[in-house]
Amino acid sequence: EAGVVQSPRYKIIEKKQPVAFWCNPISGHNTLYWYRQNLGQGPELLIRYENEEAVDDSQLPKDRFSAERLKGVDSTLKIQPAELGDSAVYLCASSYRAGVANYGYTFGSGTRLTVV
Amino acid sequence: GENVEQHPSTLSVQEGDSAVIKCTYSDSASNYFPWYKQELGKRPQLIIDIRSNVGEKKDQRIAVTLNKTAKHFSLHITETQPEDSAVYFCAASIRSGGGADGLTFGKGTHLIIQP
Repeated sequence: EAGVVQSPRYKIIEKKQPVAFWCNPISGHNTLYWYRQNLGQGPELLIRYENEEAVDDSQLPKDRFSAERLKGVDSTLKIQPAELGDSAVYLCASSYRAGVANYGYTFGSGTRLTVV
Repeated sequence: GENVEQHPSTLSVQEGDSAVIKCTYSDSASNYFPWYKQELGKRPQLIIDIRSNVGEKKDQRIAVTLNKTAKHFSLHITETQPEDSAVYFCAASIRSGGGADGLTFGKGTHLIIQP
């Protein structure tokens, strides 16, 4: 099994430019999460999807960040325009949630974004 | 929202000794507490987890204890080895229809195993 696949692995952009990250969750996982991990810190949740519905986007800076999961499988996270402070690793995770149980919570390798 | 505090930020121990990392959480509704190990440039990997209906869980050299009353939980690694060197994160999940949802992480502990 491929696990949670993210691309690109690294991205360097100039400030004010747009950038997009892609995530392919583990097959069958209905729940998808985007996290941001700043250097030397723990991951911080940005948004959580159950199937195609964003059920928790309270930590997503909506003025410049957007996300979608149109068919309840792959997801993209976009930043437009990027700022210097957006430099971080963006991690995607997925799990299978059934009722009160949650299985197989797995992280991808992340996309390391550098804004210059 | 939930707040997770983790200590120490750096821990250096001699190979073969034990290491203990401690976390506290703020939301009494949290019911799931995983621990992740992250090596430099790699993804967080789940090493052990505990649910709020259990006080202790052990897996070979790794154990986790949970005190719901005090709202703190700890990771214990015995007989440490060089490959245990990494950053360790604790996390907590706020109950939302049950199960583990978005995780709130601590700031991490850099564990250094001295040969």
